[in-house]
Amino acid sequence: EVQLLESGGGLVQPGGSLRLSCAASGFTFSSYAMTWVRQAPGKGLEWVSALTGSGDITYYADSVKGRFTISRDNSQNTLYLQMNSLRAEDTAVYYCAKAVYSYGYQFDYWGQGTLVTVSS
Amino acid sequence: DIQMTQSPSTLSASAGDRVTITCRASQSISTWLAWYQQKPGKAPKLLIYKASSLESGVPSRFSGSGSGTEFTLTISSLQPDDFATYYCQQYSNYWTFGQGTKVEIK
Repeated sequence: EVQLLESGGGLVQPGGSLRLSCAASGFTFSSYAMTWVRQAPGKGLEWVSALTGSGDITYYADSVKGRFTISRDNSQNTLYLQMNSLRAEDTAVYYCAKAVYSYGYQFDYWGQGTLVTVSS
Repeated sequence: DIQMTQSPSTLSASAGDRVTITCRASQSISTWLAWYQQKPGKAPKLLIYKASSLESGVPSRFSGSGSGTEFTLTISSLQPDDFATYYCQQYSNYWTFGQGTKVEIK
């Protein structure tokens, strides 16, 4: 059974940093691209970042480029999102999701999400 | 960037109704389109991929169609479990979601 478990969310001040983790199990982690998608309170889904199965190619939404860094440790089956220079508009539930191929396409499994609140 | 626009934003319907949601892309995405269902407090669930392929385990009352810039999600006979918010997503060039369509009880 595929499982994705996010952690690392919490309250952080504007300008601060936070690192999210997503522990994966139930599939060959290194064979699939992974992604982060966020959802601000009461709003729709926003794609944030993705990377290939090998981790050699990364993708970012313009809204987070230069502030967020996605990475993965295939030996630990874990996906990360390092978030720096956080802003109030980054407040959201952050979901990790598995893509169906090593280089992307649609997302077939999602975690339960972790809440990030950016506020003073 | 490819923009995705869904209509309507909210849809009021009754159980048993046939429901159609439209999604338009700002440029051609061939059939690189997925549909997701999300219920309050839950993660999205994949329903349809490649515009018209039904994800394993998804009831056959859900169907998708379209190509290029115009796509539709149809629920042939709305069930109580189907009241939720639906999102389209393009994966032709990076990934973009539509703003969502909330299907509520009439």
